[in-house]
Amino acid sequence: AQKVTQAQTEISVVEKEDVTLDCVYETRDTTYYLFWYKQPPSGELVFLIRRNSFDEQNEISGRYSWNFQKSTSSFNFTITASQVVDSAVYFCALSDENTGNQFYFGTGTSLTVIP
Amino acid sequence: DTGVSQNPRHKITKRGQNVTFRCDPISEHNRLYWYRQTLGQGPEFLTYFQNEAQLEKSRLLSDRFSAERPKGSFSTLEIQRTEQGDSAMYLCASSLVGVEKLFFGSGTQLSVL
Repeated sequence: AQKVTQAQTEISVVEKEDVTLDCVYETRDTTYYLFWYKQPPSGELVFLIRRNSFDEQNEISGRYSWNFQKSTSSFNFTITASQVVDSAVYFCALSDENTGNQFYFGTGTSLTVIP
Repeated sequence: DTGVSQNPRHKITKRGQNVTFRCDPISEHNRLYWYRQTLGQGPEFLTYFQNEAQLEKSRLLSDRFSAERPKGSFSTLEIQRTEQGDSAMYLCASSLVGVEKLFFGSGTQLSVL
């Protein structure tokens, strides 16, 4: 069965600190996609990144970086030098051949960046 | 690209009433999804369309829920005989076939009293 676990329910950091959001996934498929979405207080889910299962290269985009490790079924997200605007709920999601076109989302991690 | 649009933003209704929500996807997107999100949870898949065809429905979707996408453009989600447990944010998303990336609307917040 497909499952996405985000064990951290809430995290608070002081501005400029680095923070890592954990995501662990389960799937029996060899072909799958992993995603991170940001949901600010306004409510709209904003796409951050997509990773396919054949590409384990880590990715960096500005202050954001992602660490994909198939050996531990993890797809962690790090924000460097956090800012108040990073405060939001972050969701990790999985899509694979078994789910068809469904995306399975984790329960989210609520990040608060304190000025 | 004007984004995914959902109306209304908020809906308050009494238990037993019917409600209908509308979603206008990004114009060139042929896939349209409905998700439901409750407080403290991630979005939960309800159903999706490819063009006008409804291709998948969640087993969680009761018979009181129906969705349509008559011309392969906008979609409506109707809930009949609403129950308090239907209170949630209803999210619409769209994508292009072959592009595994969902674009979400701002959602419709339903409150059933």
